[in-house]
Amino acid sequence: KDQVFQPSTVASSEGAVVEIFCNHSVSNAYNFFWYLHFPGCAPRLLVKGSKPSQQGRYNMTYERFSSSLLILQVREADAAVYYCVIFCRDNYGQNFVFGPGTRLSVLP
Amino acid sequence: KAGVTQTPRYLIKTRGQQVTLSCSPISGHRSVSWYQQTPGQGLQFLFEYFSETQRNKGNFPGRFSGRQFSNSRSEMNVSTLELGDSALYLCASSSWDRGNGYTFGSGTRLTVV
Repeated sequence: KDQVFQPSTVASSEGAVVEIFCNHSVSNAYNFFWYLHFPGCAPRLLVKGSKPSQQGRYNMTYERFSSSLLILQVREADAAVYYCVIFCRDNYGQNFVFGPGTRLSVLP
Repeated sequence: KAGVTQTPRYLIKTRGQQVTLSCSPISGHRSVSWYQQTPGQGLQFLFEYFSETQRNKGNFPGRFSGRQFSNSRSEMNVSTLELGDSALYLCASSSWDRGNGYTFGSGTRLTVV
């Protein structure tokens, strides 16, 4: 069964580098997407790819079955839910498989 | 370029009623997906439509249904509402190849009383 795994919660101190890990069992995975979701707002794409990528303070590592989102100089305002999403191709075409989300808490 | 538009933003319904939510995707996007988020839960996939056809369906009861129109706009309907249906319903659209991921709307907050 195609599944994506993430820790349910991660805690960090302000100013640190926080890592959110994701691994999956999705066959025919093509690439990773990392989304940020503040409650009540539209989830926002942070970084994506099938190789290590960086967008501002957000770095993404890449292995075939795992990826980590690294947030540099984390701030209290970064406290939100982060989703790891796998883009794959199957017999029915293309599909996205969402992870359960990781809730980040940031301590001042 | 306008984003994904969901209407209404907020809705209050009573148990047993039915509700219809609307989603207008980004112009040119033909894939529309719906997600439910309940308090403390992650995004739960409801269904996806592409070119007016349901392409994927999540594990939700038959009370949840949807459709897509020729202009790619999509509606989601929930019949016989239950208290547990109270949630944020998010719509997301993507281009035909979906290689750039989804763009989400801000959601419709449904409260069932």
